[in-house]
Amino acid sequence: DAKTTQPNSMESNEEEPVHLPCNHSTISGTDYIHWYRQLPSQGPEYVIHGLTSNVNNRMASLAIAEDRKSSTLILHRATLRDAAVYYCILRDGDFGNEKLTFGTGTRLTIIP
Amino acid sequence: DAGVIQSPRHEVTEMGQEVTLRCKPISGHNSLFWYRQTMMRGLELLIYFNNNVPIDDSGMPEDRFSAKMPNASFSTLKIQPSEPRDSAVYFCASSLAGTQGGGYTFGSGTRLTVV
Repeated sequence: DAKTTQPNSMESNEEEPVHLPCNHSTISGTDYIHWYRQLPSQGPEYVIHGLTSNVNNRMASLAIAEDRKSSTLILHRATLRDAAVYYCILRDGDFGNEKLTFGTGTRLTIIP
Repeated sequence: DAGVIQSPRHEVTEMGQEVTLRCKPISGHNSLFWYRQTMMRGLELLIYFNNNVPIDDSGMPEDRFSAKMPNASFSTLKIQPSEPRDSAVYFCASSLAGTQGGGYTFGSGTRLTVV
């Protein structure tokens, strides 16, 4: 499985934007970039995914580098409820090979 | 949609006993995944199914663990006999395979404690 690298932890002030980086220099052409988050005592929650173009949804934005070797998850206005572990994962888009392998993620702390 | 439903939410059992964890995936999803999470090892994929067929069970720790998916709406993960080191939170997730990288939906997990 292609590997991702994320900082172990980050802090951000409430109501400010947060940029969570992820490096994936060995990404292959069929790999999708997925982001999940896990709030305390809950299961992981899908946030967003993309292939080549930047993506936006109601939760976040995903900015993908032109060479696809890195990406950034953007929370536009962090709230205390966004405190979680954020996982950046590469998922093969080929049918039958779609498992997600979780790393250690980035623990995001929101400061009131 | 009720999401992915797991039962029980909590299970405490004695070493040597059989434990069965249950999962109901989202209706229409054709891929199902079992994960285990511990502080030491994080989230580990144990096994996954496509269209009720096991595709990859390389993450199953040993023969004490087995998983079945008799139909599209139900799966079980069984541990027999259980050991204290099996204590963990077990998550089930489902997705729609072939949707060009679409997301998984996870259940709330079963917290297993083996004493």
